[in-house]
Amino acid sequence: QVQLQESGPGLVKPSETLSLTCSVSANSISSGGYYWNWIRRPPGKGLEWIGYVAYTGHTNYSPSLESRVSISEDTSKIQFSLSLTSVTAADTAMYYCARGRYTYGSLDFDSWGQGILVTVSS
Amino acid sequence: SHALTQPPSVSVAPGETARIPCGGDNIGSRSVHWYQQKPGQAPVLVISYDSDRPSGIPERFSGSNSGNTAALTISRVEAGDEADYFCQVWDATSDHSRVFGGGTKLTVL
Repeated sequence: QVQLQESGPGLVKPSETLSLTCSVSANSISSGGYYWNWIRRPPGKGLEWIGYVAYTGHTNYSPSLESRVSISEDTSKIQFSLSLTSVTAADTAMYYCARGRYTYGSLDFDSWGQGILVTVSS
Repeated sequence: SHALTQPPSVSVAPGETARIPCGGDNIGSRSVHWYQQKPGQAPVLVISYDSDRPSGIPERFSGSNSGNTAALTISRVEAGDEADYFCQVWDATSDHSRVFGGGTKLTVL
């Protein structure tokens, strides 16, 4: 069973950039055919998919965040990262990294990190 | 993209059966996945591809999907099943702006 662990600052000032890293207990995130995702849950709201970096290095982002988000992989350290620019209070949320499996034209998320709470406040 | 509609809450007595619907335009033509999230914990995949149970998920959890409604059914509900439940689809032809349903809070009375 793969394990994922988020890390990064828990407090970010408005208009600044939110940066998180997900460490993966796997031999490599560029093999195995998996998709490495970021998903968040704002307080009192539901889950929101942010985007992924695939094992091929291809990225895909939610249209609502695409202009501000970037997800990248660091294969040497078996990590992938999230960068979200120009944050506002609306970006306050629990952020999760999750492994995605793409089969028969659909993607599910079978392993999740424990999550990290990020608060946007001055 | 197509919105996924879930009721905000469902309540059931212990030992009874809970059914949590997820509505969407012709959702039966897509694969639906279900997640359980308890307070302070990460989501857990409980049903994938409409009705497959991952290893470790009790047989009490089952799924169905047809027409415009998918559903998660929990038989012989226990107090420990109280959680938020989310349906999820991935439509390769959409823009992925609506991946998850809004979520349903299951309350065990």
